[in-house]
Amino acid sequence: SSELTQDPAVSVALGQTVRITCQGDSLRSYYASWYQQKPGQAPVLVIYGKNNRPSGIPDRFSGSSSGNTASLTITGAQAEDEADYYCNSRDSSGPNWVFGGGTKLTVL
Amino acid sequence: QVQLVQSGAEVKKPGASVKVSCKVSGYTLTELSMHWVRQAPGKGLEWMGGFDPEDGETIYAQKFQGRVTMTEDTSTDTAYMELSSLRSEDTAVYYCATADYWGQGTLVTVSS
Repeated sequence: SSELTQDPAVSVALGQTVRITCQGDSLRSYYASWYQQKPGQAPVLVIYGKNNRPSGIPDRFSGSSSGNTASLTITGAQAEDEADYYCNSRDSSGPNWVFGGGTKLTVL
Repeated sequence: QVQLVQSGAEVKKPGASVKVSCKVSGYTLTELSMHWVRQAPGKGLEWMGGFDPEDGETIYAQKFQGRVTMTEDTSTDTAYMELSSLRSEDTAVYYCATADYWGQGTLVTVSS
């Protein structure tokens, strides 16, 4: 089965731009989805498909993909963006879901 | 707007089984592909299995095959996940999820 690899932790200064990346073979065939999870809460979808935001997600969140790497970019990070972020896609060999290990974002 | 409401926390002894429910509102269960994901304390998200609409079958992660059963009651729009032969490592929050929406999570604690 496929694996998705994320950096364990990333930090960003308030108001600056940060990119969170996710690498894996399945990303050559499938787009990643990105989930935000705050302590004690269920994950929330923030980006899906090529670069789509669900209703209610601020436009400072955007997604991109190149080769085996998907990226989540937050342009002008806010204090409330501090959370764990998980990438997710289909397994390259079947319909199974795969998650990255998660990236803890700290907003300084 | 889809809402997924899960059953309450459970405490189980090693070797027992647990069955978690997930009630859907806003859509019917047949319109959704339901999956189950778990998260051990302080750890990441782990996919357990879910419905594959291309095959019309429920698929399970290899790690849980033989120990997990996912079922649906379309008359009540409720999905179920049953995990058997519980061990301490199964202590986790269990979520039902579609690609877009997640339940609030159910904490299952396995302890003697």
